[in-house]
Amino acid sequence: DGGITQSPKYLFRKEGQNVTLSCEQNLNHDAMYWYRQDPGQGLRLIYYSQIVNDFQKGDIAEGYSVSREKKESFPLTVTSAQKNPTAFYLCASSAGLAGYEQYFGPGTRLTVT
Amino acid sequence: SQQGEEDPQALSIQEGENATMNCSYKTSINNLQWYRQNSGRGLVHLILIRSNEREKHSGRLRVTLDTSKKSSSLLITASRAADTASYFCATDADSNSGYALNFGKGTSLLVTP
Repeated sequence: DGGITQSPKYLFRKEGQNVTLSCEQNLNHDAMYWYRQDPGQGLRLIYYSQIVNDFQKGDIAEGYSVSREKKESFPLTVTSAQKNPTAFYLCASSAGLAGYEQYFGPGTRLTVT
Repeated sequence: SQQGEEDPQALSIQEGENATMNCSYKTSINNLQWYRQNSGRGLVHLILIRSNEREKHSGRLRVTLDTSKKSSSLLITASRAADTASYFCATDADSNSGYALNFGKGTSLLVTP
């Protein structure tokens, strides 16, 4: 899983609560990403950040928010507005956006009941 | 948006056999990457092939790219039980969200002893 850590590995929340997923990297990468993976599906991009204090919406950003105050950190908040938040969330980083391999964290499995 | 589509969805072989997975995509790309995911874990990068390359090797892995057919294949030779995982292709191309690495839904490979 390289130099990317995600915590916690499992997270349980009640419906209506916001929850923040942590992602930290020590690879000195500029770009960071958040993906969502549902069973039997590929990865769908939620948000990505090319540089500190800048981030862009991905294909499924509704109900999610992010911040990029430090190069090493890219936390994802799943808000109560996200209609179906139960999923496996993966954070990744890369040296740049185009033409670079992405390094993934171990993932956080979020269950909302 | 998921541009890459892997085929087959699932593949079961015996140790020692070769495994071939295919990926098709829709629009022009700059690069195509293959990743591996063990159950419940993050993705691990395998190979990146650029649009001007036709073939690339890494150990027991061989990747081909045919830009005229918009397709790529991943060949794993002399498979081992430890190769059991899901394999994803990912293409980098502009999407309606700006830059994105688009993942397919993956091929689930089972290698039995």
